[in-house]
Amino acid sequence: GENVEQHPSTLSVQEGDSAVIKCTYSDSASNYFPWYKQELGKRPQLIIDIRSNVGEKKDQRIAVTLNKTAKHFSLHITETQPEDSAVYFCAASRGPWDQLIWGAGTKLIIKP
Amino acid sequence: NAGVTQTPKFQVLKTGQSMTLQCAQDMNHNSMYWYRQDPGMGLRLIYYSASEGTTDKGEVPNGYNVSRLNKREFSLRLESAAPSQTSVYFCASSEGVGYNEKLFFGSGTQLSVL
Repeated sequence: GENVEQHPSTLSVQEGDSAVIKCTYSDSASNYFPWYKQELGKRPQLIIDIRSNVGEKKDQRIAVTLNKTAKHFSLHITETQPEDSAVYFCAASRGPWDQLIWGAGTKLIIKP
Repeated sequence: NAGVTQTPKFQVLKTGQSMTLQCAQDMNHNSMYWYRQDPGMGLRLIYYSASEGTTDKGEVPNGYNVSRLNKREFSLRLESAAPSQTSVYFCASSEGVGYNEKLFFGSGTQLSVL
């Protein structure tokens, strides 16, 4: 079955710098890739998602890129701010009738 | 508009006790889910329901039962709790039918089984 690996497990960056989190998936049939942000003690919330017919998607300071050949997708956060501190989860699915498989999460720390 | 509401927020059980986690959504969503979240393991799907009266097993269904009472409510029952079920449980919903949709999560239930 599908397996999603997420790296790094912890990422510490200086405020204002960029952060990149990478996920690798195993099933080449996967076609839906969301990213969720979970602040400490809060519920996960979708921040951006991408489908396999698109190579890149942006929303203000966040972007997701997808490399189908290499089977990986990445979350990019530019001009990081204190409120970006959270755990970020990636996930992958082969289609509407296949459950999302989640990465283990990346704890992003923004240093002042 | 409350979104997805879960109760209780915290629960401590003894091994062998039973309990039901309640979940309700007021967004007229079709699909509802139960996940568990363990440190370092991300989210794992316990059960999914595409509509009233239908449920599908997820990745880790053993030891759990669910009931989709109506379109709004989806409950999770632990019949005989075990320490391995200590976890944070999240209910979620999505508008359509199927997994490739934005999930709206509840605030979670922190369960400890002693």
